[in-house]
Amino acid sequence: QSALTQPASVSGSPGQSITISCTGTSGDIGGYDYVSWFQQHPGKAPKLMIYDVSSRPSGVPDRFSGSKSGNTASLTISGLQAEDEADYYCSSYTSSNTLFGTGTKVTVL
Amino acid sequence: QVQLQESGPGLVKPSETLSLTCTVSGGSITSYYWSWIRQTPGKGLEWIGYIYYTGSTSYNPSLKSRVTISVDTSKNQFSLKLSSVTAADTAVYYCARKWAMATPFFDYWGQGTLVTVSS
Repeated sequence: QSALTQPASVSGSPGQSITISCTGTSGDIGGYDYVSWFQQHPGKAPKLMIYDVSSRPSGVPDRFSGSKSGNTASLTISGLQAEDEADYYCSSYTSSNTLFGTGTKVTVL
Repeated sequence: QVQLQESGPGLVKPSETLSLTCTVSGGSITSYYWSWIRQTPGKGLEWIGYIYYTGSTSYNPSLKSRVTISVDTSKNQFSLKLSSVTAADTAVYYCARKWAMATPFFDYWGQGTLVTVSS
């Protein structure tokens, strides 16, 4: 099974909204409502930002939201802030595996 | 506050076995699913496998023949063994808590430990 496909980079100005896509197949994203998103700053461990497609763990700002349509999941960051500059990874359950995305570098201009 | 800490050798020779331990503090290991995940510059994040405190395991099919994950509930620890390592196994290895069997709800992570495979 291949990694989920994400754009290599996305950028935006402070205050703007950006959306990161994560494309899989009917065997992973399309087949289950089990998609998570992680934020990773350099040299740090990933941090859970979204789980089960659109749920936010306690403490995660509501500027972060998740959705899914067919085989593609999306993470939207509204009101972009400087501290949002990081790498973002999606993850999906499959019947035999847990897949991660290729990763997206978010740059705040 | 749950904390996870990886420990083990930072250098392993090719063809040998990589061994890491994750110590869980601030909570009991007798619940949840406990996972190993690695990260390489070339392949990004890769799920290795998980263990439930009862000993039930699930492994990434691409690594299954070389991976063993075990748990020691008396020490609140779980461990990873990866055999016949090559340079491709050089990575930062993370241990993480997983909320349930299916969902990739990894809510607590260790800081990660770099393991280099080299002679």
